[in-house]
Amino acid sequence: SAVISQKPSRDICQRGTSLTIQCQVDSQVTMMFWYRQQPGQSLTLIATANQGSEATYESGFVIDKFPISRPNLTFSTLTVSNMSPEDSSIYLCSVRGVGEKLFFGSGTQLSVL
Amino acid sequence: KQEVTQIPAALSVPEGENLVLNCSFTDSAIYNLQWFRQDPGKGLTSLLLIQSSQREQTSGRLNASLDKSSGRSTLYIAASQPGDSATYLCALHDRGSTLGRLYFGRGTQLTVWP
Repeated sequence: SAVISQKPSRDICQRGTSLTIQCQVDSQVTMMFWYRQQPGQSLTLIATANQGSEATYESGFVIDKFPISRPNLTFSTLTVSNMSPEDSSIYLCSVRGVGEKLFFGSGTQLSVL
Repeated sequence: KQEVTQIPAALSVPEGENLVLNCSFTDSAIYNLQWFRQDPGKGLTSLLLIQSSQREQTSGRLNASLDKSSGRSTLYIAASQPGDSATYLCALHDRGSTLGRLYFGRGTQLTVWP
């Protein structure tokens, strides 16, 4: 199984600021995925991050709000920009491992005041 | 668009009981289905993955079954323990989507009391 380190584990931020979440994997992976889990809701895919190309965003998510970097095959960042209280969620990164299982990081619990 | 429903939303049982958690989905053209466990404020731990060609998977006290024709999966937990308390999520890969794009249910919040 892949080991995924995600930082920070939690943060409390002010409205209008930005937060960058980091995701480090212990092996090289082609695709990394960023999910959001709003309070009481199921997980929703934000975007797929491919190394060497721009991220692919799902409907309802845009690059200006959630810019993603993927500088190499083991690392990615997701930035939540110009935050509002509606952005308060758990953000998780994920990779596909052997046998097509998806493995998840421990998540970043974000609260926006 | 695939919709995933989990019933019940919450379940509270005494230790030692055998449990069944249910997951239903609207489109049977799935690639595989995965069950996860999520502890409060934490990420997801993968429990079992069932390929679309399989009927069930077992790991220890856990058994997951898949019936594509009826759009259902069940997670069976035998001899439940307080350490099993968590939220259980089912998620599936739709054949029409990129692998990695999982459709999740809202989960079943399980509490097992001593």
